[in-house]
Amino acid sequence: NAGVTQTPKFRILKIGQSMTLQCTQDMNHNYMYWYRQDPGMGLKLIYYSVGAGITDKGEVPNGYNVSRSTTEDFPLRLELAAPSQTSVYFCASSYLRTGDEKLFFGSGTQLSVL
Amino acid sequence: RKEVEQDPGPFNVPEGATVAFNCTYSNSASQSFFWYRQDCRKEPKLLMSVYSSGNEDGRFTAQLNRASQYISLLIRDSKLSDSATYLCVVNVRTGNQFYFGTGTSLTVIP
Repeated sequence: NAGVTQTPKFRILKIGQSMTLQCTQDMNHNYMYWYRQDPGMGLKLIYYSVGAGITDKGEVPNGYNVSRSTTEDFPLRLELAAPSQTSVYFCASSYLRTGDEKLFFGSGTQLSVL
Repeated sequence: RKEVEQDPGPFNVPEGATVAFNCTYSNSASQSFFWYRQDCRKEPKLLMSVYSSGNEDGRFTAQLNRASQYISLLIRDSKLSDSATYLCVVNVRTGNQFYFGTGTSLTVIP
């Protein structure tokens, strides 16, 4: 049982480059999330999705885009990388069920923009 | 005001000590509560859910006080392997949104 799979684990980008962080889950969860975590800070929500075809902005969406064409996949796109996007990115999923709304995380992507 | 607030620590305790972490949340509509553990440069992993009646899992005890909007985690007989950052997480069922504290750092010293 793979859970939440996130790739790549590490990436270095030059300013202005683009990339896509991949995230897939095999737990049939309807909710998926992208967070970023800066050193010494809590997780901040970038985008989330409540199901295939539905996405919504979180706390820090600027500079990012997402899509949710299937229940399993929720890629995060950086169009014009900036140094402020240097961070660790976590994808997560959850199943909305009373008393069981646990979050399951991918292993993270460490991104540096130079 | 932050949705979830934690004392960042760090807490440095000797092996065998008992240590307690506290957390407060601001949204009275919060429905579910969790403690996650995060090791350096790793993803957060669920340590335990927190129920109104309080719950225990081995050396770990979690308590919830809805009236005071306060959550606690007690670790007894600390082990070196308990060294990590502990995240307080609150779920607001509307939109199934999760809010994270900044984490409390624990180092258990031999």
